[in-house]
Amino acid sequence: SYVLTQPPSVSVAPGQTARITCGGNNIGSKSVYWYQQKPGQAPVLVVYEDSDRPSGIPERFSGSNSGNTATLTISRVEAGDEADYYCQVWDSSSEHPWVFGGGTKLTVL
Amino acid sequence: QVQLVQSGSELKKPGASVEVSCKASGYTFTSYAIDWVRQAPGQGLEWMGWINTNTGNPTYAQGFTGRFVFSLDTSVSTAYLQISSLKAEDTAVYYCARHCSGGSCSDYWGQGTLVTVSS
Repeated sequence: SYVLTQPPSVSVAPGQTARITCGGNNIGSKSVYWYQQKPGQAPVLVVYEDSDRPSGIPERFSGSNSGNTATLTISRVEAGDEADYYCQVWDSSSEHPWVFGGGTKLTVL
Repeated sequence: QVQLVQSGSELKKPGASVEVSCKASGYTFTSYAIDWVRQAPGQGLEWMGWINTNTGNPTYAQGFTGRFVFSLDTSVSTAYLQISSLKAEDTAVYYCARHCSGGSCSDYWGQGTLVTVSS
């Protein structure tokens, strides 16, 4: 089945830019979705179809996808951005088509 | 506004069954599928499958066949997850979510239901 690889953790100082990667074989050919999950809360969709933002999500959140890596970029990081972030794709060729990455813990220093 | 409200936490013994409900409001229930996602303690998200709210047809992910059943009551805009023959490893938070329109994602999520299986 298709595998998505994320770094377990990323740390960044407030006001800086955080980049969270999601690796997968030819992931650039798939649509990638990103979710934010704060402790004790349900996930929230922050980026869909590689780079679009749902209404209500700040412009500081952006996404890109090419080759074997998709990236979630959070500009001007705030303390409130500290959370787990998960990437997700749909792999129609797989027996388990809806795949999540393992998640990345974003720590704001 | 779109809301998915799930039933409360459950404590069950091994071998028992449990039903988690997910009541939707703020949109036409039968226009969007419902996804189910599991999160074991301290672990990541795991897609369990979905149910077509128009036809009632469920799709189960690998590893969630047999003991897991998705169902609907469209008259009250509610989806259900039933798990039978519970095992300790079923201990997790179970989320329902609205399937995105035109995309393979979940755009609105329930608050989650903790199911604990312990003797």
